[in-house]
Amino acid sequence: QKEVEQNSGPLSVPEGAIASLNCTYSDRGSQSFFWYRQYSGKSPELIMSIYSNGDKEDGRFTAQLNKASQYVSLLIRDSQPSDSATYLCAVNRLGTGGFKTIFGAGTRLFVKA
Amino acid sequence: EAEVAQSPRYKITEKSQAVAFWCDPISGHATLYWYRQILGQGPELLVQFQDESVVDDSQLPKDRFSAERLKGVDSTLKIQPAELGDSAMYLCASSPSRARDAFFGQGTRLTVV
Repeated sequence: QKEVEQNSGPLSVPEGAIASLNCTYSDRGSQSFFWYRQYSGKSPELIMSIYSNGDKEDGRFTAQLNKASQYVSLLIRDSQPSDSATYLCAVNRLGTGGFKTIFGAGTRLFVKA
Repeated sequence: EAEVAQSPRYKITEKSQAVAFWCDPISGHATLYWYRQILGQGPELLVQFQDESVVDDSQLPKDRFSAERLKGVDSTLKIQPAELGDSAMYLCASSPSRARDAFFGQGTRLTVV
């Protein structure tokens, strides 16, 4: 079982729709959770971080965390073609030398104009 | 806006040769990460520094890879000898602390021929 699991996609949504991206993690002791966006050939760019159960909103993005279910999601409202990218879920958990950040394989999102 | 600086952006090397990558984190960031990302996969943590100390190198192939952060600021990752399977994007990231958001540099695309 991978530590951080994401559906690889591709997830295809029409422009203006809500895109829903999901992620599960295996370590119950995980403390911090992040969503990164990565365009093809580029490095990951931090979109959202969330540290406690519930929802966190930033513009068109909402991150949701449910630690009991070990589940974190990202909602993108009013999706735009420029949102087409791979979205990486990352989890910060305790390792041998302290906390470290582990990434999922990413979900590819296509927003159709 | 503060950024993580990496060089070179691209590197082509022959197998069995030595190659080195350099990273300058955001000023004041104590935590520095080196990740390797193979096409279609998520970033894999190779080594994590807290100031000048290595706190996690459990996934670093130590027979050929080495990393240092001598003064707790910039860092170098070296591969010697390079193998064909080392072709990947090498990403450096920094964070104010181990449990906080990590910010990535532009990465170094390595091709081993």
